[in-house]
Amino acid sequence: EVQLVESGGGVVQPGGSLRLSCAASGFIFSNYWMTWVRQAPGKGLEWVATLKRDGSEKYYVDSVKGRFTISRDNAKTAMYLQMNSLRAEDTAVYYCARVGNGGHAGYWGQGTLVTVSS
Amino acid sequence: DIVMTQSPDSLAVSLGERATINCKSSQSVLYSSNNKNYLAWYQQKPGQPPKLLIYWASTRESGVPDRFSGSGSGTDFTLTISSLQAEDVAVYYCQQYYNNTPTFGQGTKLEIK
Repeated sequence: EVQLVESGGGVVQPGGSLRLSCAASGFIFSNYWMTWVRQAPGKGLEWVATLKRDGSEKYYVDSVKGRFTISRDNAKTAMYLQMNSLRAEDTAVYYCARVGNGGHAGYWGQGTLVTVSS
Repeated sequence: DIVMTQSPDSLAVSLGERATINCKSSQSVLYSSNNKNYLAWYQQKPGQPPKLLIYWASTRESGVPDRFSGSGSGTDFTLTISSLQAEDVAVYYCQQYYNNTPTFGQGTKLEIK
């Protein structure tokens, strides 16, 4: 069974940093692109970043470029999102998801809440 | 960026009736090389992560009831629920993955009339 479990969320002050983790199991992790999607409270879905199978290609939404870094460790079957210079507008539930052939997100974790507030 | 616009924003349908949600992209998401539309539909219930329903615009994900169907090509797409069930109350999102910067529609809230 495919499982994705996010962790690392919490409350952080503006300008602070957090590192989110996504632990994957139940599939061959190194065979799949992976992605982060976020959802601000009461709002819609926003794609954040995507990472190629071997980590060689990374893509980000404009609003996080230069502040967030997506990475993975295929040996540990884990993906990460390093978030720096956090802003109030980064407050959201962050989901990790497995990307299917072509780009749709077939499996999602339960999400981890990040709150940026002073 | 490709902008995805859904209509309506909210919808109330009687149990057993048809529900139709539309999604329009600001540019075509049809790849001519493989004739595939890079368009997916997701369902999100309160307190839950999104669930993939449809990909390639019309391919139903394994385990999704056949009352859910997707259609359309190029820039105009539709999600249809043929006979609304109580458990279908949710917010529905379309998403394009034509390029490496996917975007979602704003969501359509589906309720029971």
